[in-house]
Amino acid sequence: EVQLVQSGAEVKKPGESLKISCKGSGYSFTTYWIGWVRQMPGKGLEWMGIIYPRDSDTRYNPSFQGQVTISVDNSISTAYLQWSSLKASDTAIYYCVSWVYGYFDYWGQGNLVTVSS
Amino acid sequence: EIVMTQSPATLSVSPGERATLSCRASQSVSTNLAWYQQKPGQAPRLLIYAASTRATGIPARFSGSGSGTEFTLTISSLQSEDFAVYYCQQYNKGPPITFGQGTRLDIK
Repeated sequence: EVQLVQSGAEVKKPGESLKISCKGSGYSFTTYWIGWVRQMPGKGLEWMGIIYPRDSDTRYNPSFQGQVTISVDNSISTAYLQWSSLKASDTAIYYCVSWVYGYFDYWGQGNLVTVSS
Repeated sequence: EIVMTQSPATLSVSPGERATLSCRASQSVSTNLAWYQQKPGQAPRLLIYAASTRATGIPARFSGSGSGTEFTLTISSLQSEDFAVYYCQQYNKGPPITFGQGTRLDIK
């Protein structure tokens, strides 16, 4: 069974850094793109970016380019989303997703990130 | 960037009735369109891909149609568990990937 298991909820202050994780299991991690989707409170879904674990080819939504970094560690089948300096507007749920042929077939349970002073 | 517009924003339907949700693309996406269902407090779930192919485990009462710029998700006989928010998503020619703003399906 394919599973994407994300790290837990985070509470951070503006300006702090953060790295959240997503561990894939039940499939060959390096052969499927994996990505991140943001959902701000009470809002819709926004695609942030995707990465191909085999060669770390990464594609970002221009709206998130330079704001976040997506990476992987194939030795532990884990993808990451990181910020160097959080803002209050980064408060959202972040979903890890597997991306196949263009659509998102499996979703993690979501990471609630709260940024507040 | 391709803009996806869903209508209506909210749809109120009685259990057992048919629901029809629409999604329009700002330019042709062929049949590169997916639909997702999101219930409160849960991650979205893939319902339909390639405009009309049901994902694994999705009941037959869910069907998708359309091509080019106009798409429809139909739920033939609404069950209580179907009341949720539904999103369309285009993936024509790969990134950037865009979602519609969602349609909330409420119990009438």
